[in-house]
Amino acid sequence: DGGITQSPKYLFRKEGQNVTLSCEQNLNHDAMYWYRQDPGQGLRLIYYSQIVNDFQKGDIAEGYSVSREKKESFPLTVTSAQKNPTAFYLCASTGWTAGAFFGQGTRLTVV
Amino acid sequence: KQEVTQIPAALSVPEGENLVLNCSFTDSAIYNLQWFRQDPGKGLTSLLLIQSSQREQTSGRLNASLDKSSGRSTLYIAASQPGDSATYLCAVEDMRAGANSKLTFGKGITLSVRP
Repeated sequence: DGGITQSPKYLFRKEGQNVTLSCEQNLNHDAMYWYRQDPGQGLRLIYYSQIVNDFQKGDIAEGYSVSREKKESFPLTVTSAQKNPTAFYLCASTGWTAGAFFGQGTRLTVV
Repeated sequence: KQEVTQIPAALSVPEGENLVLNCSFTDSAIYNLQWFRQDPGKGLTSLLLIQSSQREQTSGRLNASLDKSSGRSTLYIAASQPGDSATYLCAVEDMRAGANSKLTFGKGITLSVRP
């Protein structure tokens, strides 16, 4: 079945540690996105990528980094510079006519 | 910059009511508009996708309409059920130079359907 897979489902980060969230899609979509969702708030765009080897900052890119070496993969690294990383992270992809598809999310907690 | 607004933020209704959820957007140059459902702690599930050339889409008890000229979309839920309780988000995909697109979301409407 085609879809988007995010892993892990739960992730714990120690202070000062970098962690990487995985996002893989087999929908052959060009565009991929990372969003952050905090309790009671909407989705905020972190980074997005329209094509391999190219990506743009969203509204809250500080403290995060991404790469897009393959069409299928768009990993997000939460760096130690992100001072408040505890949140629910969602990855999405879009195709020309199919609209957006989302993964099931990764819940990141600082311990 | 595209802005998407959904009002009210929360809604509570008795079971059986017909509902209208509203979504407005500021830039009418959109590629499509999509309605999603999100259950607590879960990802977003697509409900309906309306291409910019379309006026509405239907799936079961759900009907979504799009009026690009006024920058509005509505999601109609017929005969609401407790299982419809969730957060409903709308998103627009913008048409940009070079055919690149960007998704912009509203903050969602949290719906509670009381038995």
